[in-house]
Amino acid sequence: DAGVIQSPRHEVTEMGQEVTLRCKPISGHNSLFWYRQTMMRGLELLIYFNNNVPIDDSGMPEDRFSAKMPNASFSTLKIQPSEPRDSAVYFCASSRQGWTEAFFGQGTRLTVV
Amino acid sequence: AQKVTQAQTEISVVEKEDVTLDCVYETRDTTYYLFWYKQPPSGELVFLIRRNSFDEQNEISGRYSWNFQKSTSSFNFTITASQVVDSAVYFCALSEAFEGGGSNYKLTFGKGTLLTVNP
Repeated sequence: DAGVIQSPRHEVTEMGQEVTLRCKPISGHNSLFWYRQTMMRGLELLIYFNNNVPIDDSGMPEDRFSAKMPNASFSTLKIQPSEPRDSAVYFCASSRQGWTEAFFGQGTRLTVV
Repeated sequence: AQKVTQAQTEISVVEKEDVTLDCVYETRDTTYYLFWYKQPPSGELVFLIRRNSFDEQNEISGRYSWNFQKSTSSFNFTITASQVVDSAVYFCALSEAFEGGGSNYKLTFGKGTLLTVNP
């Protein structure tokens, strides 16, 4: 079975540009998480979807960040406009239910210059 | 307050030594779940184990073992006879219900412990 698929794996963009990160969860999983990993703050939960509905977006840093899940097999995390401090590895994860083990994608390493 | 505390930032051992990674958690829920994940240098996050709050039975799986103690809110992880390939960052995580209940749970990670196993 395919795991969680994220694209792109690496993204380098200039400050001010729009960035869109994509995630395809594992088929049959109904919980989806977006995390950001930095050296300073570790793994932070940005937003959590259950059955395609955003349940908690309190971790989204500011209005420049937005996430959508139009269907059970696709989610996006958008940053507009991007800033150098957004540079991090962004992970998407999915699970069958919110309390079961989450399986992570390979991550997207974002660099904003 | 930090929900999941991994007090050891870095640990360095020599191959074949046993090593224990500590994890202390904080929750008001009676039902919650605890996890360990491994992040090798390649960067992916690999699920290792899940325990629910009602299952304090400790487990051994090959060279790995886990010690869950609700009385001290600890969920420690031990690697026996460590190997160089065990070098990674290990994360402890807590899953507890969102406010409002239901079946929505929030997975919170500790800061991680970098384990280096030297030959």
